[in-house]
Amino acid sequence: GQQVMQIPQYQHVQEGEDFTTYCNSSTTLSNIQWYKQRPGGHPVFLIQLVKSGEVKKQKRLTFQFGEAKKNSSLHITATQTTDVGTYFCAGLQESGTYKYIFGTGTRLKVLA
Amino acid sequence: SAVISQKPSRDICQRGTSLTIQCQVDSQVTMMFWYRQQPGQSLTLIATANQGSEATYESGFVIDKFPISRPNLTFSTLTVSNMSPEDSSIYLCSGGTGVRTDTQYFGPGTRLTVL
Repeated sequence: GQQVMQIPQYQHVQEGEDFTTYCNSSTTLSNIQWYKQRPGGHPVFLIQLVKSGEVKKQKRLTFQFGEAKKNSSLHITATQTTDVGTYFCAGLQESGTYKYIFGTGTRLKVLA
Repeated sequence: SAVISQKPSRDICQRGTSLTIQCQVDSQVTMMFWYRQQPGQSLTLIATANQGSEATYESGFVIDKFPISRPNLTFSTLTVSNMSPEDSSIYLCSGGTGVRTDTQYFGPGTRLTVL
C-alpha cells in the first residue's frame, strides 16, 4: 500500500537557524497537504499543493511539491520558538480510494 | 471551510469498558474519516465513515472493535469497544468534500486514557 515517509524524524535547531523537512511518497500523489501539531494539540492545516513543481510561501515557510508529484518539502527560514511542534505531510493518491495517508512526521525543537 | 467539533475532549476509562466519541461538522461534507494517533506517532486512518451504510475499515481495524455510525452528512460516532491500555490514543475525526483539490479539516481530537 501507499507509504509516506518523512525525514528527519527529529530536528533540534538554534533559534534563527533554518529548518527543512522532506516528505516522500511511494506512489504518485494528487495533492499533498502539510499540517503542524503543537505539543498537546491537534493537527492544524497549513497548506495544500496540487500542481507538479508548485512552490508556495507563507511568511517564513516555503512549501514545494516535486515535479514527479511523489515528494514535497517544507522549509522554515530563521526559526522561532513558536515554530516548535511536529510537522506532518499528508498525501492523497492520484487515483483509487479517496483517503489521505499521513507521513511519519518531523518533530522540531527550537532552542532559544 | 468546515468547523469540526468532537465530544468528549478527553476521558479516562477502565479496561473492558467502551467509549463513544461524537463528531459534528458545521456544514455538509461528503467524506468523514476517523484517525488514531498513538503517543509520539503519526496519524493512522482507522476508517472512512459512510453515510447510511457500514464504514470502510483500513487494514488492522475491525468493526467489532471500532463500530462507526454516520446517520447523516454532518454527524458521526466512533466507539472504542472492550478497551485495553493499548487503546490509549488521541482519536480524531476529519471531514472533506471529497474533491481532490479541496482541504480536509480536523476536529480537536479526543484524548483517551485506558487504565
